[in-house]
Amino acid sequence: GENVEQHPSTLSVQEGDSAVIKCTYSDSASNYFPWYKQELGKRPQLIIDIRSNVGEKKDQRIAVTLNKTAKHFSLHITETQPEDSAVYFCAAKPLAQKLVFGQGTRLTINP
Amino acid sequence: GAVVSQHPSRVICKSGTSVKIECRSLDFQATTMFWYRQFPKQSLMLMATSNEGSKATYEQGVEKDKFLINHASLTLSTLTVTSAHPEDSSFYICSAKGGNTEAFFGQGTRLTVV
Repeated sequence: GENVEQHPSTLSVQEGDSAVIKCTYSDSASNYFPWYKQELGKRPQLIIDIRSNVGEKKDQRIAVTLNKTAKHFSLHITETQPEDSAVYFCAAKPLAQKLVFGQGTRLTINP
Repeated sequence: GAVVSQHPSRVICKSGTSVKIECRSLDFQATTMFWYRQFPKQSLMLMATSNEGSKATYEQGVEKDKFLINHASLTLSTLTVTSAHPEDSSFYICSAKGGNTEAFFGQGTRLTVV
């Protein structure tokens, strides 16, 4: 089955700097890659996703890149703000199968 | 995005009792619902997948007789933790998916067994 590895587990950046979180997946059949932001005690919120027919997608300060050959995808947050502090999860999903989550990255934005 | 409501948000129960958690899709028909468990500082672990009108499919290591899942309608799935023990204390989250839509998460339920 699918296996998703996420790095780093914790990340601390200065406000205004960029943050990058990386994930690798094992199943070449995976075709959907969402990223979730989870604040303490709350539900995961979908912040951006990408499908396997696209290499990059951007939404304001957030972007995701996908390298199907290398089977890895990354989340990029630019001009970070304190409210970006949260735990971020990547996930991968083969067609018609379940989402498999990465281990999570605790992002801290230092003012 | 679509709205998924989970209830209760917090529950404390005594060891040995059962607790029911509801997951409702408010503005779409959820053909599939997923139940996750999340321990502190850990990722979401899928417990089971339920399709409306059929038996749930449990992940390896999840006791189906302990975690009863019912998905009797296209808008409601329930998870019942039977004979709860302190080690069942966790954050339980459902997500619901309809047709070609992606899944949306409920608010989660923090269960504490004392």
